[in-house]
Formats: sequence, C-alpha cells, structure tokens
Amino acid sequence: TQLLEQSPQFLSIQEGENLTVYCNSSSVFSSLQWYRQEPGEGPVLLVTVVTGGEVKKLKRLTFQFGDARKDSSLHITAAQPGDTGLYLCAGAGSTLGRLYFGRGTQLTVWP
Amino acid sequence: ETGVTQTPRHLVMGMTNKKSLKCEQHLGHNAMYWYKQSAKKPLELMFVYSLEERVENNSVPSRFSPECPNSSHLFLHLHTLQPEDSALYLCASSQEFEGAYEQYFGPGTRLTVT
Repeated sequence: TQLLEQSPQFLSIQEGENLTVYCNSSSVFSSLQWYRQEPGEGPVLLVTVVTGGEVKKLKRLTFQFGDARKDSSLHITAAQPGDTGLYLCAGAGSTLGRLYFGRGTQLTVWP
Repeated sequence: ETGVTQTPRHLVMGMTNKKSLKCEQHLGHNAMYWYKQSAKKPLELMFVYSLEERVENNSVPSRFSPECPNSSHLFLHLHTLQPEDSALYLCASSQEFEGAYEQYFGPGTRLTVT
C-alpha cells in the first residue's frame, strides 16, 4: 500500500488569508492529482502534476510536485468562501491504474 | 457537471433488502471504478472495470456485487448489508485503466443501512 499523508487535517481561516496544504509520502508516484469535494458531492479534479518539481497555477491556486515525486503542496492565495471544501490528493503508484488517496484536508473559509 | 451520473443519490435500506446502485458515464471512457468513502478514512477502491472486464477486486465482501454490461454503465448490487456499510459510494471513470489517467467522479450515492 502506498500511503499519502495530508496535513493539516482541518483548516479554518478568514477570507483573504493565504494557506498551504501538504501531501506527503515515502513512495514515489508517477503523477499526483488534487481534487476538491463539496458536501454531498463527488470529488472534482483540479489538477494533475507529472514531472518532479513541476508547478501549476489555477487562478489563485498553486500546485507543486516535489522534485523526488513523493510529495506535493497546494497553496491558495487570498482564500474565498467558495474555496471551502475537502481537498484530496491522490497519487498514481506502482499498480497500473490505481490511485492512492489521502484522507484530505477540510478547509473552511469564513466571510 | 453531467460527465458521470449516479442514481439514486440517497438510499436507506434494511439489512435484509436487495438494492442496486447505478452509474453512467458520458465521457467515452474505457475504465470505471467503485469507491467507498467513510468518515475519517481515505477513499477505498472496491472494484475496477476496464473494457467491461473486472480487473481488480479489493477483497470486498460478497454482499457487494458489481456488474458492468458495457463501457458506459456500472452497477453495484447490494444484499444483506451491515450497518458499517453505510457510506458514500462513488463511481468514477477514466480514459484508460493502465497509465496515470485522470479519474472523474460522479456525485455519489449516500447509503444508510438500518
């Protein structure tokens, strides 16, 4: 089993603040995906990172894949209430087609 | 977002009931997945189908029975479930099974076993 540890587990901030959530593993992944899940809905894919050291930006969200492809981070600038949700990272590992999910970071942004 | 649909969205069933969950994908994908999402646990992969053939069964109890009649449809047949089976059941699809293909999820079925 290839485990992904996400931190923090919970994050509660005010609108306008910046934040970073982390996704770490001792295993190497061929790619890593970030999802956001809102209550009562399925996860929605935000981004996929493939190359070690890769940085991708999606408006106020910045995703980085570690050089060794074992970890990733998600940074949100000037958070908004609409960013509230469960952020999941998932790594594509040694078993073809298999995604390994972290437990997620529950983010709440207060107006 | 209508790429992957699931019905019903909510289901309450007794331990002696038989019910089925349905998933349909409109993305032209070749692989489909069933996941179980419980509180405080990572998403648990249950079954994987690639081109309508089951390629993975993660030691799931036999009271869960999947069916994939074609590449667009996936069912999960349920019988004699236990209260601990209460969870959000998510269906997902991807373009292919092999390789780092992105998975797209449906909205899930919230199952409560009484």
